[in-house]
Amino acid sequence: AQSVTQLGSHVSVSEGALVLLRCNYSSSVPPYLFWYVQYPNQGLQLLLKYTSAATLVKGINGFEAEFKKSETSFHLTKPSAHMSDAAEYFCAVSPKLNYGGSQGNLIFGKGTKLSVKP
Amino acid sequence: DARVTQTPRDKVTEMGQEVTMRCQPILGHNTVFWYRQTMMQGLELLAYFRNRAPLDDSGMPKDRFSAEMPDATLATLKIQPSEPRDSAVYFCASGPGTYTGELFFGEGSRLTVL
Repeated sequence: AQSVTQLGSHVSVSEGALVLLRCNYSSSVPPYLFWYVQYPNQGLQLLLKYTSAATLVKGINGFEAEFKKSETSFHLTKPSAHMSDAAEYFCAVSPKLNYGGSQGNLIFGKGTKLSVKP
Repeated sequence: DARVTQTPRDKVTEMGQEVTMRCQPILGHNTVFWYRQTMMQGLELLAYFRNRAPLDDSGMPKDRFSAEMPDATLATLKIQPSEPRDSAVYFCASGPGTYTGELFFGEGSRLTVL
C-alpha cells in the first residue's frame, strides 16, 4: 500500500532562514504529489502539487517543491521563513490508476509542525 | 469565493448520543471525502463518494458510523452511539474529479464526546 513519510514532526527555524520540510513516498509508480498547509483551527489549504510536468513546482506564499524520482522524494522549501509560515504542513499522495488518472483519494503523511522564531 | 462548508464547527456531547455532521461541497465538485484528524493517528480517510455513490468506506467503523449523500449539495456523517474515542476533528473535502485528484477542505467539525 502507498505510504508517505514526513521526516521530523517538528521543525524550528529563525525568521529569514531556509525552510526545508522532507517528504518521501513509497511507490514504484510515481503518484501525484501535494503539499497542504494547516493553520490552527482551520482546514487544509493546497500549497502546491506535482502532476508529472516540471519537476520543480512553485506554490503559494513563496514555497516550492522538487520531485526527485530517484530518491522518491518531494521536499518542500522556502528560501526565507516568515513568522506567518508557522503552521502544520502535510505531504500527500494520490495513487495513479493504470491509465494515469488519480485513484481519487489522498493519503497523507503525519504532518510537520513548523515554528518560526523571531 | 467557493468553499466547502461544514456544520457544526464545534460539538460537545455525551457518550451514547447521536451526532450528525454536515458538509456542503463546492458546487460542481463530484467527489466528497470524510477525514478524521487526531493527534495520535493524524489524518485518516473514513469514506468517500463519487457522483454521490459511496466508493470506499473501509476506514469507517461500520457498527456506529454511517456516511450518506442525500443530494449533490449535502453529505452527512453520523455516529450512533458516540464514544469518547470518537473525539476528533472531522474534515469534509470535495474535489472536481480532475485527473490529478486535488481536494479542497472545509474548516472541520471538532467533536468532543464526554
